[in-house]
Amino acid sequence: DVVLTQTPPTLSATIGQSVSISCRSSQSLLHSNGNTYLNWLLQRPGQPPQLLIYLVSRLESGVPNRFSGSGSGTDFTLKISGVEAEDLGVYYCVQSTHAPLTFGSGTKLEIK
Amino acid sequence: EVQLVESGGGLVQPGSSLKLSCVASGFTFSNYGMNWIRQAPKKGLEWIALIYYDSSNKYYADSVKGRFTISRDNSKNTLYLEMNSLRSEDTAMYYCANYNNYGAFDYWGQGVMVTVSS
Repeated sequence: DVVLTQTPPTLSATIGQSVSISCRSSQSLLHSNGNTYLNWLLQRPGQPPQLLIYLVSRLESGVPNRFSGSGSGTDFTLKISGVEAEDLGVYYCVQSTHAPLTFGSGTKLEIK
Repeated sequence: EVQLVESGGGLVQPGSSLKLSCVASGFTFSNYGMNWIRQAPKKGLEWIALIYYDSSNKYYADSVKGRFTISRDNSKNTLYLEMNSLRSEDTAMYYCANYNNYGAFDYWGQGVMVTVSS
């Protein structure tokens, strides 16, 4: 199975600060069809996860553009440019290039 | 408005069975693959099963293979998860989520809790 390693496990940020979360895969997530199926989710406290980014860098409809994704192959990054209070929660990367689908272990973002 | 509403959870004893349902509305259910994803208390997310839009293919995580069965009824816009031989480690919040053309889960239900305990 593909292992996704997220770092850091926790992140503490002030409002307005920019932060980045890393997701490293145990194998390349480039599919034979040319797509890279790496997505980012946010789970706010007491809520189901919500999709933020799909196909590495495409912003889901309705998600603020302070969120951005980048990367290729095995190394991926989620960046929040100017954290807001509503961004607190746990961020997960998830891959669907290889079966079974696997999730990273999560990065908890706390607001100072 | 898109809605996915899970039901059927509860407290059951080890070795027993349970069937979860997920009713979809606000989108064309029959066009999408659907998943069950679970989250043990205070833990991360675990994908457990996927069914294609037309039920032609089903996939399971090793942790539930042979014990859980995913199915759907497109005429009722409903996804199911039949769970047999339940174990304490199956205790979790169970979410249904769709699977779009980009391999992403863009709609999630609120989840239903399953507790396996004697």
